[in-house]
Amino acid sequence: KAGVTQTPRYLIKTRGQQVTLSCSPISGHRSVSWYQQTPGQGLQFLFEYFSETQRNKGNFPGRFSGRQFSNSRSEMNVSTLELGDSALYLCASSPTSLGSYEQYFGPGTRLTVT
Amino acid sequence: TQLLEQSPQFLSIQEGENLTVYCNSSSVFSSLQWYRQEPGEGPVLLVTVVTGGEVKKLKRLTFQFGDARKDSSLHITAAQPGDTGLYLCAGLGRETSGSRLTFGEGTQLTVNP
Repeated sequence: KAGVTQTPRYLIKTRGQQVTLSCSPISGHRSVSWYQQTPGQGLQFLFEYFSETQRNKGNFPGRFSGRQFSNSRSEMNVSTLELGDSALYLCASSPTSLGSYEQYFGPGTRLTVT
Repeated sequence: TQLLEQSPQFLSIQEGENLTVYCNSSSVFSSLQWYRQEPGEGPVLLVTVVTGGEVKKLKRLTFQFGDARKDSSLHITAAQPGDTGLYLCAGLGRETSGSRLTFGEGTQLTVNP
């Protein structure tokens, strides 16, 4: 099976702009989670989607949002970008039928805000 | 909020040495996962431990889940340069209803040839 894919891999934006990141999960995986990874904070959970519904949400401001489509593909959006949003954004899918929530990560999107 | 503390944060050793990475919390987790992340890539799942006291082996890597399911360790025997990477532990909270893992900050391991 193909792995989790994320596009784009790299992105440079200016403060105040918005950005949309895309994630295609492993075929058959219905759960998609998003994480932010920074050197200072490590991996922080953003939110999880399952069957087009947000099932869990981390402690991030409302500028961070996401959605999931009927084919399980997911997007996350960050509005009014701030310098502190520079990070690696990781998407992970999970075979929830196993009940273990093991995460299969994509390579990430490196976002730089200038 | 459940927290996971990993130690050490950085580890630089010579090829052939043994090492242990620790993952500790005051919270109980229903399961704990270990991942390895290499530069430019996402984390890759190594193992999941579920039962208190459980020990799992993956070639030269030995993973142990504490009896109280609050801590875990990763032991690498005869480390090789290919073991270099960021090792992350992640705990699944008992009350969690969905895919919400708490990650430790990671241990950056460098194995020098």
